[in-house]
Amino acid sequence: SQQGEEDPQALSIQEGENATMNCSYKTSINNLQWYRQNSGRGLVHLILIRSNEREKHSGRLRVTLDTSKKSSSLLITASRAADTASYFCATLNNAGNMLTFGGGTRLMVKP
Amino acid sequence: GAGVSQSPSNKVTEKGKDVELRCDPISGHTALYWYRQSLGQGLEFLIYFQGNSAPDKSGLPSDRFSAERTGGSVSTLTIQRTQQEDSAVYLCASSSLGGHQGYTFGSGTRLTVV
Repeated sequence: SQQGEEDPQALSIQEGENATMNCSYKTSINNLQWYRQNSGRGLVHLILIRSNEREKHSGRLRVTLDTSKKSSSLLITASRAADTASYFCATLNNAGNMLTFGGGTRLMVKP
Repeated sequence: GAGVSQSPSNKVTEKGKDVELRCDPISGHTALYWYRQSLGQGLEFLIYFQGNSAPDKSGLPSDRFSAERTGGSVSTLTIQRTQQEDSAVYLCASSSLGGHQGYTFGSGTRLTVV
């Protein structure tokens, strides 16, 4: 079963707009990570937020984590057509040895 | 190598045949993971190797699936007597510190069972 569930499952926006994706999870975690996948192939690690952090930035990416609600959000600002991809959240268990992935959000950015 | 290498990139096989999928992790990465992704779905954990410890096989869907990791480096995932429901992309990842700094994924093997 999947630990993380993304919302929405699909998102279509215009270039220049912001994209927000949400992730909910069920059990306590060590950290939460976001990955990007193009064309159903390998995933690329984007950003990691630890359980004692609430917000993190990397370039046009902003991630928040609310451990009381067991949820996270990924914000991509000023989106570009090249941001079109699937985005997955993944949670690391407390033992630190297993990442469990959600079902992903398919983002389409129209030029 | 510079990244995680998987081969073949695509494999078409007949139902009932055995297949072997190969993963060459980043040199020095002690942890290696296999995941499966069906079309349009999330990643399903299969098996995890950490150093010389016994692998965590809890995600293998049936006894037709097995994996080994030789010399703490290259790993082979074997599927015996393939079925159509085995069709998926099989992804391998490696890491140096478990998940504390993220995984590096290979490009995957797309397996089609006809």
